[in-house]
Amino acid sequence: GENVEQHPSTLSVQEGDSAVIKCTYSDSASNYFPWYKQELGKRPQLIIDIRSNVGEKKDQRIAVTLNKTAKHFSLHITETQPEDSAVYFCAASKGYGNKLVFGAGTILRVKS
Amino acid sequence: SAVISQKPSRDICQRGTSLTIQCQVDSQVTMMFWYRQQPGQSLTLIATANQGSEATYESGFVIDKFPISRPNLTFSTLTVSNMSPEDSSIYLCSVGGGRDEKLFFGSGTQLSVL
Repeated sequence: GENVEQHPSTLSVQEGDSAVIKCTYSDSASNYFPWYKQELGKRPQLIIDIRSNVGEKKDQRIAVTLNKTAKHFSLHITETQPEDSAVYFCAASKGYGNKLVFGAGTILRVKS
Repeated sequence: SAVISQKPSRDICQRGTSLTIQCQVDSQVTMMFWYRQQPGQSLTLIATANQGSEATYESGFVIDKFPISRPNLTFSTLTVSNMSPEDSSIYLCSVGGGRDEKLFFGSGTQLSVL
């Protein structure tokens, strides 16, 4: 089955700097790649997603890139702010109706 | 996105007892899933709740331990049976089934087993 690896497990950045989190997946049939943000004690929130027919997607300070050949995708956060501090999870699925397989998570700390 | 209500939000239970968690959605959804998130860990899929038929369980999870019901397209329950301290986790329902693959999570149930 699908396996998703996520790195790094923790990431500390200075406010205003950029943060990059990387994930690799094993199943070439996977075609949907969402990212979730989970603040302490709260539910995971979908922040951005990308499908395999697209190489990059942006939403304000957040962007996701996908390399299908290498089977990896990344989350980029620019101009980080303290409120970006949270745990970020990547995930992969084979699309509509299929389960999401999650990475192990990255604890992002933005220092002010 | 749909409004997903999950209850209870937290509970403390005794070893050997069972707890039923409810997930209610304000609109009909095709897909409902149950996830477990152990302390400081990622999300692991327990099962897919199928409307009108038996749930589909992932490897390592069995119906006798985690019976699931889904009587309609807006409601599902997960029961954690014969609990042990190892069952202490956050349990989350997740729903999807719009015109895309997006999945959204309920607020979770934090379970502690003594």
